[in-house]
Amino acid sequence: DTGVSQDPRHKITKRGQNVTFRCDPISEHNRLYWYRQTLGQGPEFLTYFQNEAQLEKSRLLSDRFSAERPKGSFSTLEIQRTEQGDSAMYLCASSPKAGVKETQYFGPGTRLLVL
Amino acid sequence: GIQVEQSPPDLILQEGANSTLRCNFSDSVNNLQWFHQNPWGQLINLFYIPSGTKQNGRLSATTVATERYSLLYISSSQTTDSGVYFCAVGFGLTFGEGTQLTVNP
Repeated sequence: DTGVSQDPRHKITKRGQNVTFRCDPISEHNRLYWYRQTLGQGPEFLTYFQNEAQLEKSRLLSDRFSAERPKGSFSTLEIQRTEQGDSAMYLCASSPKAGVKETQYFGPGTRLLVL
Repeated sequence: GIQVEQSPPDLILQEGANSTLRCNFSDSVNNLQWFHQNPWGQLINLFYIPSGTKQNGRLSATTVATERYSLLYISSSQTTDSGVYFCAVGFGLTFGEGTQLTVNP
């Protein structure tokens, strides 16, 4: 069983462009989370899915951010009209179904640099 | 929202030394995890420990939920232990700012 995978691992884009990241959770994990981490800080929660339903969104998730998990498996995070302040590491995590130990397992992250 | 404070912010050790990292949190929690973030940014699970004590090799952790703190013990530290250690609590995890550990040979 492989861990959480994310693609791409690195992304450089120009301000104003749209970017999309993909996350593949551990198989049979029905919960999936997105976090953002800026340099020198701990990760900050963005949003969470249970199966295909997006159940919680942080205030950090502005209107330019959208996340989907169409079939309850992989997820995508899109940032529209990127700004330099969006430069960060975007982390995805997954955890087993409700009622099971809620350990979250993290992927390697996607480093975004907005020029 | 819940606040998480970690101490110390930085810690420098000689190889073989022991250390204790602390995590205080402002409200009761059902979930507490300790992570090690390696130099490439990967967050590695160390413990899921909302209460009680657990041990894994040279690492152990204790959470006293009633007093809202958790401790991570590292014994006989090695250079490969270097990195940032995070405590995180809650459901959509709230992370502390981490402890930057440097172990010198």
